[in-house]
Amino acid sequence: DTAVSQTPKYLVTQMGNDKSIKCEQNLGHDTMYWYKQDSKKFLKIMFSYNNKELIINETVPNRFSPKSPDKAHLNLHINSLELGDSAVYFCASSQFGRAVGANVLTFGAGSRLTVL
Amino acid sequence: SQQGEEDPQALSIQEGENATMNCSYKTSINNLQWYRQNSGRGLVHLILIRSNEREKHSGRLRVTLDTSKKSSSLLITASRAADTASYFCATDSGGSYIPTFGRGTSLIVHP
Repeated sequence: DTAVSQTPKYLVTQMGNDKSIKCEQNLGHDTMYWYKQDSKKFLKIMFSYNNKELIINETVPNRFSPKSPDKAHLNLHINSLELGDSAVYFCASSQFGRAVGANVLTFGAGSRLTVL
Repeated sequence: SQQGEEDPQALSIQEGENATMNCSYKTSINNLQWYRQNSGRGLVHLILIRSNEREKHSGRLRVTLDTSKKSSSLLITASRAADTASYFCATDSGGSYIPTFGRGTSLIVHP
């Protein structure tokens, strides 16, 4: 049973289109994230939601809009896609452990977006 | 913002050898974690070390942390071909506890 699942796994689209990537976690975690991994494997945080509330929004164009309908889902909608948006997008979740004092992330398998 | 930087960027060794990767960071941290990413897959958590710890072990993995040098190392002993993957360090600092990653070290273990 997949802990963090994201769909679609592959997405090929034209510049200017709008697309969405969905993410669901069945771990009961209270925090979810979107990371972007570029062609050089650099993994950068985009957004983080805790209990449906946005807690971090790094320098991301406002063409990217996360939506969290409940704490098990965090979807990513991208408007007016550009060539530079081509990357692998990873969803992750965590439950902040007060005893540990850290967020240990569980990642989805990634969604590879190619913009032509 | 970018925190951890792994070194080397790529490492190629023979099965049975030890592999050592390093991570350096810029600001004080709460925790440092190491993750593995197999080709085409998501990252998998390996080990976490807190800022007040100096060394941790998990199976064939040994992690050290030197907060005075702002660096950590991951040692994989007796490597296997299945250890071939990219390895990332992630740090969190301040009150957010959000892990930030580097570019990773690409490890190839030849059978």
